[in-house]
Amino acid sequence: AQTVTQSQPEMSVQEAETVTLSCTYDTSESDYYLFWYKQPPSRQMILVIRQEAYKQQNATENRFSVNFQKAAKSFSLKISDSQLGDAAMYFCAYRSAYNNDMRFGAGTRLTVKP
Amino acid sequence: GAGVSQSPRYKVAKRGQDVALRCDPISGHVSLFWYQQALGQGPEFLTYFQNEAQLDKSGLPSDRFFAERPEGSVSTLKIQRTQQEDSAVYLCASSLAAGTGLNEQFFGPGTRLTVL
Repeated sequence: AQTVTQSQPEMSVQEAETVTLSCTYDTSESDYYLFWYKQPPSRQMILVIRQEAYKQQNATENRFSVNFQKAAKSFSLKISDSQLGDAAMYFCAYRSAYNNDMRFGAGTRLTVKP
Repeated sequence: GAGVSQSPRYKVAKRGQDVALRCDPISGHVSLFWYQQALGQGPEFLTYFQNEAQLDKSGLPSDRFFAERPEGSVSTLKIQRTQQEDSAVYLCASSLAAGTGLNEQFFGPGTRLTVL
């Protein structure tokens, strides 16, 4: 079964600085999708960025970008120019191309210091 | 609003009671998912609907858990004879397209269930 590991329970960053959140996963499949979701306190989970495994180019969405290393099964999230509104739980997720089961990591709580 | 809504937002049940949690997906969304999120953990997949068909229920933890989506829109997750280990936030998500893929899932605010 696929597993997703986020080894950083908590991270903090100074406003306007850059932070990288780590994620590794374990799978024997060749075709899958990876996601980063943000869950602000008491608010709904929202999609930050997504990556198709067959694409070598790293996805970017404004201040958010990923470093996808397929061979290493690593999918880290970089947040540039951090803002106070970026403070939230961040979840890395894996979804097989063959079923609907999306697997989440345990999450990383990001604090942004003013 | 046009987002996914869930009700109730909070539910307290005594052990042994039955509960029903409702999810209203975004109108027109074909796919609907239920997840269970224990405190301090990531969501765990419970079940998936494509329209009214429950295509995957592999994540349901026991036969006390039952989900339905009879008309392909609103879904209900029912838990019978609740146990303390059922305490969690239950998240519902919907997506526009059917099947697997890069389809974005839109999440509701969740229902926090506490079993005493």
